[in-house]
Amino acid sequence: DVKVTQSSRYLVKRTGEKVFLECVQDMDHENMFWYRQDPGLGLRLIYFSYDVKMKEKGDIPEGYSVSREKKERFSLILESASTNQTSMYLCASSFDRGTTEAFFGQGTRLTVV
Amino acid sequence: GENVEQHPSTLSVQEGDSAVIKCTYSDSASNYFPWYKQELGKGPQLIIDIRSNVGEKKDQRIAVTLNKTAKHFSLHITETQPEDSAVYFCAAKWGWGKLQFGAGTQVVVTP
Repeated sequence: DVKVTQSSRYLVKRTGEKVFLECVQDMDHENMFWYRQDPGLGLRLIYFSYDVKMKEKGDIPEGYSVSREKKERFSLILESASTNQTSMYLCASSFDRGTTEAFFGQGTRLTVV
Repeated sequence: GENVEQHPSTLSVQEGDSAVIKCTYSDSASNYFPWYKQELGKGPQLIIDIRSNVGEKKDQRIAVTLNKTAKHFSLHITETQPEDSAVYFCAAKWGWGKLQFGAGTQVVVTP
């Protein structure tokens, strides 16, 4: 079974802090994604990566950056956390850029106070 | 870019009845339409998908239909059971494009 593991289920951070959300997949997938989930808005793509050291902006990249130094690991970085970044963050991976299944992690509920 | 609208936002059904969720998409180039189920406290999981060269696909109690002309696709769940209670997301993409999700439907199956 594909496993996508996010490092934390719950995080509470203060406004202005630098926040790292980590994600690891164990199936040698090329693609990795970070989504944000908010009620009534569905899943919105923040950033994705289709190869090591490659990244592309999604629909809502402002206030976020990413890092992919190794194929299995994709990190989401909030440079200076703000209260409007309080949300559920979901990491996903897929085999390639085509029409293949995306596998999701369990999510990280981030609260910025 | 692609825009996916999903209706209804909440759906309450009696156990044993059918549930239908509808989605429309804007980009006629989209050719892949997956449906994800998200149970409480978990990440979304693919339950069924359909490609643009197929009009309907079934897997036990769930089925998906696609109308390319009208640019809409639907999820049908028959003989609903309590374990079908979850949030369901539709999505659409073309080729190497981005997967665009709908806003989600909270399905509640009451005994």
